Amino acid sequence: GENVEQHPSTLSVQEGDSAVIKCTYSDSASNYFPWYKQELGKRPQLIIDIRSNVGEKKDQRIAVTLNKTAKHFSLHITETQPEDSAVYFCAANPGYSSASKIIFGSGTRLSIRP
Amino acid sequence: DGGITQSPKYLFRKEGQNVTLSCEQNLNHDAMYWYRQDPGQGLRLIYYSQIVNDFQKGDIAEGYSVSREKKESFPLTVTSAQKNPTAFYLCASRDRGDTGELFFGEGSRLTVL
Repeated sequence: GENVEQHPSTLSVQEGDSAVIKCTYSDSASNYFPWYKQELGKRPQLIIDIRSNVGEKKDQRIAVTLNKTAKHFSLHITETQPEDSAVYFCAANPGYSSASKIIFGSGTRLSIRP
Repeated sequence: DGGITQSPKYLFRKEGQNVTLSCEQNLNHDAMYWYRQDPGQGLRLIYYSQIVNDFQKGDIAEGYSVSREKKESFPLTVTSAQKNPTAFYLCASRDRGDTGELFFGEGSRLTVL
């Protein structure tokens, strides 16, 4: 069935360094890949998304890359800051008849060391 | 003030009891979702609904039931058949279609005593 795998489960980086979180998906028909950030005690919020007709998308310090052939996509955060500390979730929509579903990865807890 | 509202925020129940979690949205969204969040397991899909009077099972639907009688409302019932119901439950909504942002409620934490 549909599956989204996310790595690593925890990540600690020095403030100012970059962080990379990687996800793979199983359904080759998936065409939408969002990333959500969940700060402690708060609801998840969309930070960036990418569609299958695009290989890369940037928004200030965050970027997402997509490799459709390998069925994986990654989140890149540059110049990390303390407020980047949170849990990050990747997600994908299975294709065709179940396209409205959104399946999430297991999450990455990112900690920024001062 | 537009948004998605879940209630109650905290709920305790005894084993063998059913409990219903409320989810209401005034964003005029067609699609609504219920997720369960456990530590280290991400957000797992319980049920989703693309339109009124229609809903589909997600990956962990056993022991849960839903209804979608109104566009604004998508209540989730946790039945006594759910083996491990203690968890954090998140409701979300978005416009109909296969892309677009999910808007989440603040969640309901259910504890079974």
